[in-house]
Amino acid sequence: SQQGEEDPQALSIQEGENATMNCSYKTSINNLQWYRQNSGRGLVHLILIRSNEREKHSGRLRVTLDTSKKSSSLLITASRAADTASYFCASYNNNDMRFGAGTRLTVKP
Amino acid sequence: DGGITQSPKYLFRKEGQNVTLSCEQNLNHDAMYWYRQDPGQGLRLIYYSQIVNDFQKGDIAEGYSVSREKKESFPLTVTSAQKNPTAFYLCASSMLSAQEDIQYFGAGTRLSVL
Repeated sequence: SQQGEEDPQALSIQEGENATMNCSYKTSINNLQWYRQNSGRGLVHLILIRSNEREKHSGRLRVTLDTSKKSSSLLITASRAADTASYFCASYNNNDMRFGAGTRLTVKP
Repeated sequence: DGGITQSPKYLFRKEGQNVTLSCEQNLNHDAMYWYRQDPGQGLRLIYYSQIVNDFQKGDIAEGYSVSREKKESFPLTVTSAQKNPTAFYLCASSMLSAQEDIQYFGAGTRLSVL
């Protein structure tokens, strides 16, 4: 199911800093989604950006999409210790969802 | 994790044994999925079902079997043919929208081999 690559694999920042994670995918998409996974738990949907959108915001989250480069980025602003988790991008095309390998984010208090 | 219940949370399998992981959803979703997650890795699709009494193999179906007798339930059996079953198993469901499909996940079952 893995199609995309996420970069970096792991990211460690101080509370209050911004965190940026990148995702690349291989095929055309209807949309691209980002999910969060706390350690030992299921994934939770964060945000969806359609293929005809370039940027989307939700609270402290900002997602961009560049379909010409087949890439997306997730920015978490003013990070908190509670943001510590793994973040996965998922490319979606006609009932086919493909998850990346994830970025492990650690936010130090 | 609301709406999708996976059980048990931890499961141990003996050599040559089949074990079944339960997944139940009350979201009235048409589609259900089983994923395997290995440490530090992403999700790999085992099986999925878009309608009752029908299911399709994913990327790593060998050594696994499923059934979909009810819309709410999609149990996964890890058979003795799966030689490396130790992993975290996640069940998900979705409305199956062609354009915008969001998956909702259970809390997972961690399977280990004794």
